[in-house]
Amino acid sequence: KQEVTQIPAALSVPEGENLVLNCSFTDSAIYNLQWFRQDPGKGLTSLLLIQSSQREQTSGRLNASLDKSSGRSTLYIAASQPGDSATYLCAVPFSGGYNKLIFGAGTRLAVHP
Amino acid sequence: EAGVAQSPRYKIIEKRQSVAFWCNPISGHATLYWYQQILGQGPKLLIQFQNNGVVDDSQLPKDRFSAERLKGVDSTLKIQPAKLEDSAVYLCASSLSRDIYGYTFGSGTRLTVV
Repeated sequence: KQEVTQIPAALSVPEGENLVLNCSFTDSAIYNLQWFRQDPGKGLTSLLLIQSSQREQTSGRLNASLDKSSGRSTLYIAASQPGDSATYLCAVPFSGGYNKLIFGAGTRLAVHP
Repeated sequence: EAGVAQSPRYKIIEKRQSVAFWCNPISGHATLYWYQQILGQGPKLLIQFQNNGVVDDSQLPKDRFSAERLKGVDSTLKIQPAKLEDSAVYLCASSLSRDIYGYTFGSGTRLTVV
């Protein structure tokens, strides 16, 4: 049974720091992995999607890497800003189900000025 | 493009009462999902529709939860009777097809059962 774990559960950093969020999964036979952002009282916004054949994806100050063999993904945020404050969740598909997702519990990030 | 619409935004009910949530997906999106997100946890899939048919409801507590998607567009999720542990945010999402990746989530309905 696939399980997704995210560490740390919460993180508070001063503005400008580079930071790394971690995601691990127990079943390495995944098609892809996706990182989402969730703001309080709002739904989830997809940030980055990494296909199983890829090692990493980049969007602006965000870089996500995927190591299937070790069951790990990291989300790197460069030069953090207060606007980055949110909860970040990673998700992988159910076995055999492309679009049904299993989520981690998320990392709650606070970036203070 | 309009997003996924959900209503109500908030709902407070007493245990054993019934409640219903409504979702209007993005126009043309064939696949619709309901997720339950308990405070401090990630979303958990409850049910997946493809057009107006159920693809997967294996994680739906069918003794108290029901969902329908009439005409393959709007969907409603009902809880009857509600329990304290049903307090959560109920998120609706839609995608073009279950075989094409790409989700759009609604803002959710926050349910508090007292």
